[in-house]
Amino acid sequence: KAGVTQTPRYLIKTRGQQVTLSCSPISGHRSVSWYQQTPGQGLQFLFEYFSETQRNKGNFPGRFSGRQFSNSRSEMNVSTLELGDSALYLCASSSSGTGLNEQFFGPGTRLTVL
Amino acid sequence: GNSVTQMEGPVTLSEEAFLTINCTYTATGYPSLFWYVQYPGEGLQLLLKATKADDKGSNKGFEATYRKETTSFHLEKGSVQVSDSAVYFCALRTNTGNQFYFGTGTSLTVIP
Repeated sequence: KAGVTQTPRYLIKTRGQQVTLSCSPISGHRSVSWYQQTPGQGLQFLFEYFSETQRNKGNFPGRFSGRQFSNSRSEMNVSTLELGDSALYLCASSSSGTGLNEQFFGPGTRLTVL
Repeated sequence: GNSVTQMEGPVTLSEEAFLTINCTYTATGYPSLFWYVQYPGEGLQLLLKATKADDKGSNKGFEATYRKETTSFHLEKGSVQVSDSAVYFCALRTNTGNQFYFGTGTSLTVIP
């Protein structure tokens, strides 16, 4: 089985721009979660989608949004980028709707905001 | 609320030394506990897990025991190798949803 894939792997944007990141989960997985990883804050949970519905949401401003498509692929959008949004964005998928299974992580998208 | 606290790094050890990375948690209900490892330039990989009190997770020589009485899940390895150099994350998942809570990570460097 192919693993979780994320595109693009690297992005450079300037302040005020917006960006869209993509995540393709493992085939058959219906849950996709997004995390922001920074050296100072560690991994912070952004949101989780299951069957095209947002099921959980972390404490991030409304500039961060996401969606999930019928094939379980997910996108994350950040509008009006700020310098502090520079981070590694990780996507993770799992199979179970009940949350009983582990999460499998993608390699991440490294976003740099200048 | 739910949270995970793990020991600050970085940790530097000589090859074949004993490793302990402390992890304690706060959670409502009965969480599952995990250790993930992140090698340079890669995403996180599950190292081991435990789903109930007194369970011991083990993999690749690493072990951790779910201690409900001390709300801990310390990671141990008897003899580390250079290839174990990575960042280790302790995490919990509550039994009522699919949200994970991660510690801030502990960087381990093993020198020959």
